[in-house]
Amino acid sequence: AQSVTQLGSHVSVSEGALVLLRCNYSSSVPPYLFWYVQYPNQGLQLLLKYTSAATLVKGINGFEAEFKKSETSFHLTKPSAHMSDAAEYFCAVRVGNEKLTFGTGTRLTIIP
Amino acid sequence: DAGVIQSPRHEVTEMGQEVTLRCKPISGHNSLFWYRQTMMRGLELLIYFNNNVPIDDSGMPEDRFSAKMPNASFSTLKIQPSEPRDSAVYFCASSLYGGMDIQYFGAGTRLSVL
Repeated sequence: AQSVTQLGSHVSVSEGALVLLRCNYSSSVPPYLFWYVQYPNQGLQLLLKYTSAATLVKGINGFEAEFKKSETSFHLTKPSAHMSDAAEYFCAVRVGNEKLTFGTGTRLTIIP
Repeated sequence: DAGVIQSPRHEVTEMGQEVTLRCKPISGHNSLFWYRQTMMRGLELLIYFNNNVPIDDSGMPEDRFSAKMPNASFSTLKIQPSEPRDSAVYFCASSLYGGMDIQYFGAGTRLSVL
C-alpha cells in the first residue's frame, strides 16, 4: 500500500527565509510523487511532480523538491519565501495504476 | 480552456434535503474524480470515473451518496438525504489519462447542511 506523511500541519517562516515542507512516502515499488498547492478558496493545483527522471524536480513559483530514495523523502523547498506563498501544500503519491493518495496537508504562513 | 467548472460554488441546505453538485471536466479529459475536504479528515477521494464508467467508489461514505457521469462533459454528485456531517468542500478534478496523470481541480463547492 502507498501512503505519504507530511510532518507539521502548520509551518511559519519569515518573508525571505527558506521554506522547507516535509514529506515522506511509503511504497514497496518506485513511486510517482507530487506536490500540490491550494490557495484560499481555490482548488488544488500542481506545483511539481517526480516521475523517476531527475531526482531534483523544479516546479512553478520557484519551488523545487528532491527525491531521496534512501530517506523515502520528497521535501519541498524554496530559497526565499514570498507573501504570496501562503497556502496549503499537499504531498501525494501514486504507484502504478493505483489512485493518487494525498497527505494531510501543511499550511504555510509567511510572517512579514 | 476554462478549466474544471463546478456549480454551485456555495450551497446551504437543511438536513434531509437532496443536494446535487455539478461538474464539467476539461474538454478531452477522460477521467473525473470527486473529492471531499474537511478539517477533520482532510482530502478524501470519493469516486472516480474513466471514460464515464465508475472505476472506484470505495470512498463513497454511504448509500446516501451517488455519482453519475452520463457523458464525457458532465458529472453529478448527489446526496439524499443530506445530513449536517456532510458539510464540507467538494472538489471535482479531471485528468487526461486516468489516475496516471496530473489532476486539474475545480474551485470546489462549499456545502453547508443545517
